[in-house]
Amino acid sequence: EDQVTQSPEALRLQEGESSSLNCSYTVSGLRGLFWYRQDPGKGPEFLFTLYSAGEEKEKERLKATLTKKESFLHITAPKPEDSATYLCAVQARSGYSTLTFGKGTMLLVSP
Amino acid sequence: SAVISQKPSRDICQRGTSLTIQCQVDSQVTMMFWYRQQPGQSLTLIATANQGSEATYESGFVIDKFPISRPNLTFSTLTVSNMSPEDSSIYLCSVEGAPPNYGYTFGSGTRLTVV
Repeated sequence: EDQVTQSPEALRLQEGESSSLNCSYTVSGLRGLFWYRQDPGKGPEFLFTLYSAGEEKEKERLKATLTKKESFLHITAPKPEDSATYLCAVQARSGYSTLTFGKGTMLLVSP
Repeated sequence: SAVISQKPSRDICQRGTSLTIQCQVDSQVTMMFWYRQQPGQSLTLIATANQGSEATYESGFVIDKFPISRPNLTFSTLTVSNMSPEDSSIYLCSVEGAPPNYGYTFGSGTRLTVV
């Protein structure tokens, strides 16, 4: 059974204080690992897809990295508008597979 | 990426009643997915809806409780039937994205409260 564990559950940062969010996963052959951002009262917004260990992707202050067991979402010099819940999900390679989500990390960036 | 319009955005319902949630996509898609997001929990897939065939339900979800319609390639509905307070949750529809990212797109969600 595919599993995704995200840590920490919540993270409070000062504006400009860089940090990382962790996503540990077990999957029977990884097709893709997805990062999403979710604001209160809204649906998840797609950020990145990572396919293989060693892959990295960047978008503004966010950088996602992938190993064979985990993924990190690095946030560099965050701003208050980066406050949101960040979700990680995996999709297995076998047959047609749907997404398995973690519970998310709630990030609050204070000015 | 596809744009999904989901409605209603929120509703408060009496126990024992039913609510139908609608999702409209701005492009034709083969599969649409329905998720539930309970407070403090991860998104859980309810079912996958293909046009022209019965939906495929995940373990723990049944058609009598969550009937789904998929009349065409751009529209789907999810009904939450005979509701109880335990059905209070956020319900989301989703479609698979296009290459190269294949990032799934989600609707804005329906926040359901059952009293």
